[in-house]
Amino acid sequence: DQQVKQNSPSLSVQEGRISILNCDYTNSMFDYFLWYKKYPAEGPTFLISISSIKDKNEDGRFTVFLNKSAKHLSLHIVPSQPGDSAVYFCAAPNFGNEKLTFGTGTRLTIIP
Amino acid sequence: KAGVTQTPRYLIKTRGQQVTLSCSPISGHRSVSWYQQTPGQGLQFLFEYFSETQRNKGNFPGRFSGRQFSNSRSEMNVSTLELGDSALYLCASSESMPNTGELFFGEGSRLTVL
Repeated sequence: DQQVKQNSPSLSVQEGRISILNCDYTNSMFDYFLWYKKYPAEGPTFLISISSIKDKNEDGRFTVFLNKSAKHLSLHIVPSQPGDSAVYFCAAPNFGNEKLTFGTGTRLTIIP
Repeated sequence: KAGVTQTPRYLIKTRGQQVTLSCSPISGHRSVSWYQQTPGQGLQFLFEYFSETQRNKGNFPGRFSGRQFSNSRSEMNVSTLELGDSALYLCASSESMPNTGELFFGEGSRLTVL
């Protein structure tokens, strides 16, 4: 039962354009969401998060949007840079915050 | 501050063998979690330890086990290895009772089972 879903396994975007990565969830108990970025041969690193009391959180070039009624969140990267090429995972803490439930990831490739 | 350290980084085993992976968390972090990453499956939660106690366990068979020591270092063990156990095993640490769920990951141990 995949409670967090990333339906696009890969995405290619021209450098300088906007990258939009999507994530859907099924568990209505989730009230906090995180995005992680992973380069090959490295562990995931935290990128940005959003609480369910907000519908938007911005950090530099990265903005996460949350639509609670649709159980959908998205990560916008603008402008996209070659260093943004990585796998992006969305995740949500389960009750008690003892574990994160991750999506399957989206591989983003920025084309120079 | 040193990050999360995992050893070994790469290892090759054959079916039926067992393997032990080690994780040293960030100094001061008392919670250690383990995740398995396989292509197409994302990161699957294995277990989480806090103060030497397993607080949560994922849906993995009993061949997967772990423990945490008094210095917060953790090990996970997989016995009777199967081909499907080939994966990247990631360890993550966090401060006690994280409110944000933010985890700090190591670089992982890549296990190949032949």
